Amino acid sequence: ELKVEQNPLFLSMQEGKNYTIYCNYSTTSDRLYWYRQDPGKSLESLFVLLSNGAVKQEGRLMASLDTKARLSTLHITAAVHDLSATYFCAVPLIQGAQKLVFGQGTRLTINP
Amino acid sequence: GAVVSQHPSWVICKSGTSVKIECRSLDFQATTMFWYRQFPKQSLMLMATSNEGSKATYEQGVEKDKFLINHASLTLSTLTVTSAHPEDSSFYICSATGTGTGWIETQYFGPGTRLLVL
Repeated sequence: ELKVEQNPLFLSMQEGKNYTIYCNYSTTSDRLYWYRQDPGKSLESLFVLLSNGAVKQEGRLMASLDTKARLSTLHITAAVHDLSATYFCAVPLIQGAQKLVFGQGTRLTINP
Repeated sequence: GAVVSQHPSWVICKSGTSVKIECRSLDFQATTMFWYRQFPKQSLMLMATSNEGSKATYEQGVEKDKFLINHASLTLSTLTVTSAHPEDSSFYICSATGTGTGWIETQYFGPGTRLLVL
């Protein structure tokens, strides 16, 4: 059974600081997704990581994937208040399939 | 990116009534749609996979007679919560994707429907 675990589940940080959210998964996967969810809203796609060593960056967010370690990281650089949200990673249930299993989510609060 | 809509965005109903939620792909043909449920402060849980023209596939623990899914066209899937009860109150989110190599890594999420059963 595929398990997707995020760490930490809650994160409160100050503006300007850097931090990393971790996503571990238990079985082999060919890709990994990162999503953002604002309160009361649906998911916004952030990154799709398709291969080992993949790194993608958008603004202050950078995601990477290590398929051998079954680990992805979402790094936040010089955080700003607008990045406050819940971040989810997701992995296909079966390699090559489209069904996704989501992590528990990391609730990020960035204080001025 | 492609657009997926859901209707209604909010619904409040009495216990025992049925509620239908629509998920539409507005600018592409969605051969597959997924239905998720999200309880407050929790993650998304996949309920079922809906393929156009065939019966939905339900995840373990999801009652297919309670959550009726129909995917009658390439742009519309519906989820009907039958005889809704307060414990069915949740945020229901659909996602849609197409077929072909260009779609395998792509899913577009709808805005969600919040259901409150009194």
